[in-house]
Amino acid sequence: SAVISQKPSRDICQRGTSLTIQCQVDSQVTMMFWYRQQPGQSLTLIATANQGSEATYESGFVIDKFPISRPNLTFSTLTVSNMSPEDSSIYLCSVVTGGHTEAFFGQGTRLTVV
Amino acid sequence: GQQLNQSPQSMFIQEGEDVSMNCTSSSIFNTWLWYKQEPGEGPVLLIALYKAGELTSNGRLTAQFGITRKDSFLNISASIPSDVGIYFCAGPRGGADGLTFGKGTHLIIQP
Repeated sequence: SAVISQKPSRDICQRGTSLTIQCQVDSQVTMMFWYRQQPGQSLTLIATANQGSEATYESGFVIDKFPISRPNLTFSTLTVSNMSPEDSSIYLCSVVTGGHTEAFFGQGTRLTVV
Repeated sequence: GQQLNQSPQSMFIQEGEDVSMNCTSSSIFNTWLWYKQEPGEGPVLLIALYKAGELTSNGRLTAQFGITRKDSFLNISASIPSDVGIYFCAGPRGGADGLTFGKGTHLIIQP
């Protein structure tokens, strides 16, 4: 497994502003992902963070709203742009190591937009 | 896309009882994963299953990969208060990266 640190752990933001969430892993990993978990709901994949290239977004998520960076094999950021109350969710960083299927998760960032 | 149907949605049990929950899909999965999420935390991997018919234990937890490859079960024996949380099944998305998750089973233990 890998140790995944996410910052911030929680934040309350004003609508119209942007928040950047950081994900740091203690070892090089094959793949990094960002998920959203809306209140009381399951996890939904936002995008795959690709090292050195543009992220791969899932249906319903666009780069202008959720820009993602992954400058190296241990770090990624997710920005939630021009926030509205509907963006209030837990955002989770996830990694896959080696050729395995199992994913490991950070503790999440609980975002509240007011 | 692939969907996972998880049941029950919630369970209210007494401490010491056994728990059983399941996950089904209309599509075949090659891997089944079971996670537990506690308040304020990310999901933690409990058990991973890779072969049809596989039965794997992790302490008081036992999970099985269904023979049809379209279902999986998670059992918890002799539940204790720290078992409280939301349990998710998950599997790889066919032909794409990342995981698809069930809607979760919320386990509540009454003293």
